[in-house]
Amino acid sequence: GAVVSQHPSWVICKSGTSVKIECRSLDFQATTMFWYRQFPKQSLMLMATSNEGSKATYEQGVEKDKFLINHASLTLSTLTVTSAHPEDSSFYICSARPEYEQFFGPGTRLTVL
Amino acid sequence: EDQVTQSPEALRLQEGESSSLNCSYTVSGLRGLFWYRQDPGKGPEFLFTLYSAGEEKEKERLKATLTKKESFLHITAPKPEDSATYLCASRGGADGLTFGKGTHLIIQP
Repeated sequence: GAVVSQHPSWVICKSGTSVKIECRSLDFQATTMFWYRQFPKQSLMLMATSNEGSKATYEQGVEKDKFLINHASLTLSTLTVTSAHPEDSSFYICSARPEYEQFFGPGTRLTVL
Repeated sequence: EDQVTQSPEALRLQEGESSSLNCSYTVSGLRGLFWYRQDPGKGPEFLFTLYSAGEEKEKERLKATLTKKESFLHITAPKPEDSATYLCASRGGADGLTFGKGTHLIIQP
């Protein structure tokens, strides 16, 4: 299967700071990548669809000014959580698809103190 | 709005005891029904994609089937290493996936 990586795997930050998470497709090019969020004992919820060279499409209820997405190349998308607060603490997972199947990264655990 | 419902929420089996996990879906224009395995603290691992009613796919002890309203993940003679949360997801009109809440499966030796 296709390989998707994320960095960092975990991050702890103070309230009010910004955190950037990287998502890379290692063995294929992805014009579209996806960002999901997963709270404890909950399922994955789609936050936004990241399109290479254009603006991301956000799901209803997701603040685009708080979760900045940049898809600058066919193998890299970044999610920046701006002015993070404790309620933003969650497991953030990206995915990408070479064709029809969608493959997921290992996830980034964000803890905001 | 697409909806995916999985049952049971949790399932405990003895090693070798076969069973099935259920995924009911309501999707306008299904473009794929996906099954993933997720271990604690990790991202989902792709298992299967099914596209049309009647389709079946197998991988080792797992077999996924699809009808017009449901999908089943059959686990035959499971082993402790099959313990995980199994997620079902649908793709409808949008490219992103709609996930169910998952079935937490525990296989006891």
